[in-house]
This record gives sequence, structure tokens and C-alpha cells, in this order.
Amino acid sequence: ILNVEQSPQSLHVQEGDSTNFTCSFPSSNFYALHWYRWETAKSPEALFVMTLNGDEKKKGRISATLNTKEGYSYLYIKGSQPEDSATYLCASLTRSGNQFYFGTGTSLTVIP
Amino acid sequence: DAMVIQNPRYQVTQFGKPVTLSCSQTLNHNVMYWYQQKSSQAPKLLFHYYDKDFNNEADTPDNFQSRRPNTSFCFLDIRSPGLGDTAMYLCATTPGRVETQYFGPGTRLLVL
Repeated sequence: ILNVEQSPQSLHVQEGDSTNFTCSFPSSNFYALHWYRWETAKSPEALFVMTLNGDEKKKGRISATLNTKEGYSYLYIKGSQPEDSATYLCASLTRSGNQFYFGTGTSLTVIP
Repeated sequence: DAMVIQNPRYQVTQFGKPVTLSCSQTLNHNVMYWYQQKSSQAPKLLFHYYDKDFNNEADTPDNFQSRRPNTSFCFLDIRSPGLGDTAMYLCATTPGRVETQYFGPGTRLLVL
């Protein structure tokens, strides 16, 4: 079992604020990391697939970085909007593993 | 158009009464996953299929069974649900081990 941790568990920000949260995973034998956004009553939706140390990915106002040597990834949201309200999940895969292990997610609420 | 569909979206069942959850996909992906997510916990993999090759996670209870009659459909059978099986059940597909997973919206199961 891989221990994937996300912090904070929940977050409330004002519209327009920028925010970030963390995904920590074991660095040994790392292979890939996924970020997903899960809005209430909808399907989790893929944001990023990250594999290389130093990777930086961007999708609109959302970006992510990856540090495989120390075992963490940051997700940043610039100028948060109410539609960004969702749970953000990360999941990690090792080279020898056959499944992604998920964190418990960060629940983001953007207050208009 | 929805690519991964789960039915029903909500299911209430009685303790011990068998229940079947279904998942269908239009993506023609070989790999399908079933996850269980209990309140405030990370999604936990129950089974996965690579084509017809079935893989049961070691700690998945015997009470949980799965069928995949063809590429498009996959079923999760809970033979004798217990109160502890109350959870969100997510189905996901992917073209490959490292690739993005495409999720359905989940079935929220309540066992009374």
C-alpha cells in the first residue's frame, strides 16, 4: 500500500484569491502522478498526468509542479472562481505497482 | 456525451440483500477499474480488468464479485451487503496503466 497524503483537507477562499495545495507520496520507485478534479454530482475529471521530476503543467488558471526526489506535487489555482469549487484528488503509481493509490483529496470552496 | 456511465446513481438496499452496480463505457478501453470510496477516505481499488483478465485486490472482501461480459460493460455484485459497504462506488477506464483514468459519476450505495 502506498501512502499518499493531501493537505489541507479543506479550504475556503474568496473569489479572486490564488491558492495552492499539496500532494505527498513516497519518492522511491516513483512512476507517475495524476491530478483529478471532482465536482459534486459529476465524474472526477483528469487535470494532469505528471511523470518527470521538475514537470510543470498548466491548464488555464490551474497549474501543477512535481518533485519526485522529495515526493510532492503542488497544485496552484490563480484567481479562484466559484466554478473551481470541487474536490481535488491526486494519485500516485510506482514502477513496480499495478495500481494508482489516491489521496483523500482537498475540498476547495470558492466564496463569491 | 457521457463516456463512462454508471447505473444506478443512487441505491438503497437492506442489509444482506444482493445488489448489482453497472458500468458501461464508449471509449473502447481495455482497462476497467472499480473503486470504493467511503466517507472522508481515499478511493480504494477493489478490482481491475485488463481486457478479460481479472485482477482482484488482496484485501477486497469475498462478498464483492465482478463480471465483464464484454469490453463495454462491467458489473459489481455485492452478494450480502453489510452496513460497512455504504460508500460511493466509482468505475473508471483507461487505455493504459499510466494513462489518464476516465471516471463515471459513481453510484452512491446506502445499506440499511
